[in-house]
Amino acid sequence: DAGVIQSPRHEVTEMGQEVTLRCKPISGHDYLFWYRQTMMRGLELLIYFNNNVPIDDSGMPEDRFSAKMPNASFSTLKIQPSEPRDSAVYFCASSFSRTNNEKLFFGSGTQLSVL
Amino acid sequence: GNSVTQMEGPVTLSEEAFLTINCTYTATGYPSLFWYVQYPGEGLQLLLKATKADDKGSNKGFEATYRKETTSFHLEKGSVQVSDSAVYFCALRTYSGGGADGLTFGKGTHLIIQP
Repeated sequence: DAGVIQSPRHEVTEMGQEVTLRCKPISGHDYLFWYRQTMMRGLELLIYFNNNVPIDDSGMPEDRFSAKMPNASFSTLKIQPSEPRDSAVYFCASSFSRTNNEKLFFGSGTQLSVL
Repeated sequence: GNSVTQMEGPVTLSEEAFLTINCTYTATGYPSLFWYVQYPGEGLQLLLKATKADDKGSNKGFEATYRKETTSFHLEKGSVQVSDSAVYFCALRTYSGGGADGLTFGKGTHLIIQP
């Protein structure tokens, strides 16, 4: 398996533009997570899905952020409109877990810069 | 809620020195505990884990013991190498009946090993 695949690897955009980040989880995994990493706040859980259904989106910072998982092999995180403070590395991760002791597999991240 | 506190970095050591990175946690329920490592430009990857009290997780010479009485999971290595230079994250995961929750991470400790 190729692991968790994220695209794009880098994204540079201007304030006010729409940004869409994409993720393909590992086949067979039923959990998918979106994290944001910044120097100031570390790793923050934004939202996670189980069997394509959003379970907890309490970490989504505001209404400008939305996430979807239309099927088991694809998820998107959208920011509209984007702002400079959204600049961060966004990670997608997946796991197969019926308990809490299974590890997460992380993608390589999308480095987002909003100018 | 869940939270993880780990020592601030950067931690700078000479090669072959002894390493300890402290980690303490608060959690609702009985968490599983993890250490993840992030090398430059990459996503996180699991280093080791422990799922119950007094369990010791180990991998690549690193060890951590799940101490329920002190709510700690300190990471140790007897002799560090330059290749161990990375950011280390302590994390926990709980199970809330309906399924596993997302990982809660500490802010990370940047480890720098000098030859």
